[in-house]
Amino acid sequence: GAGVSQTPSNKVTEKGKYVELRCDPISGHTALYWYRQSLGQGPEFLIYFQGTGAADDSGLPNDRFFAVRPEGSVSTLKIQRTERGDSAVYLCASSLLAGVYNEQFFGPGTRLTVL
Amino acid sequence: AQKVTQAQTEISVVEKEDVTLDCVYETRDTTYYLFWYKQPPSGELVFLIRRNSFDEQNEISGRYSWNFQKSTSSFNFTITASQVVDSAVYFCALSEAGTYKYIFGTGTRLKVLA
Repeated sequence: GAGVSQTPSNKVTEKGKYVELRCDPISGHTALYWYRQSLGQGPEFLIYFQGTGAADDSGLPNDRFFAVRPEGSVSTLKIQRTERGDSAVYLCASSLLAGVYNEQFFGPGTRLTVL
Repeated sequence: AQKVTQAQTEISVVEKEDVTLDCVYETRDTTYYLFWYKQPPSGELVFLIRRNSFDEQNEISGRYSWNFQKSTSSFNFTITASQVVDSAVYFCALSEAGTYKYIFGTGTRLKVLA
């Protein structure tokens, strides 16, 4: 079956612009996660959804970052007033159910470059 | 505090050699889960294994084996008879029960030379 998909695969933007990154989880997966991976680092947790609601957004670095999942499937990560430090690969993952006993399946990521 | 340390930044081996990737973790919880993921050049993280804190049995899957030792807070990963296709970045991750986020280490880049 289809895995987690993310669009776009690459996004180049200018400092100060607004960007949206999209994640399509595996069909039937109720939990969805966003991570950010900077060069040479491991993925860093941003936010987790159970259904439509954000169950844990403790990893969002500041209020320029926001994510939604209005229908409990597709999710969009939104970044306002982008800064050069936001440049990274943004990874989305999904799992069948919430809980650590359900492994997370990752998408290919969106590489964001802020000039 | 939760933390995962992968002290080996990069390892190079010649094909058919065995290689061990180290992972040391820190947590105050008694219930937690440990994971290994592979990130090939294509970039997509591939799940390899999950282990809970109550199961210290070592596991073997083909050429892969994992050694979990609570006494040293380590969860090491060994590849036997390495192959060029094993070249990737390998991440160890920790998740505490009651939270759903993974805490990743910084990864170990494995290069297997033909």
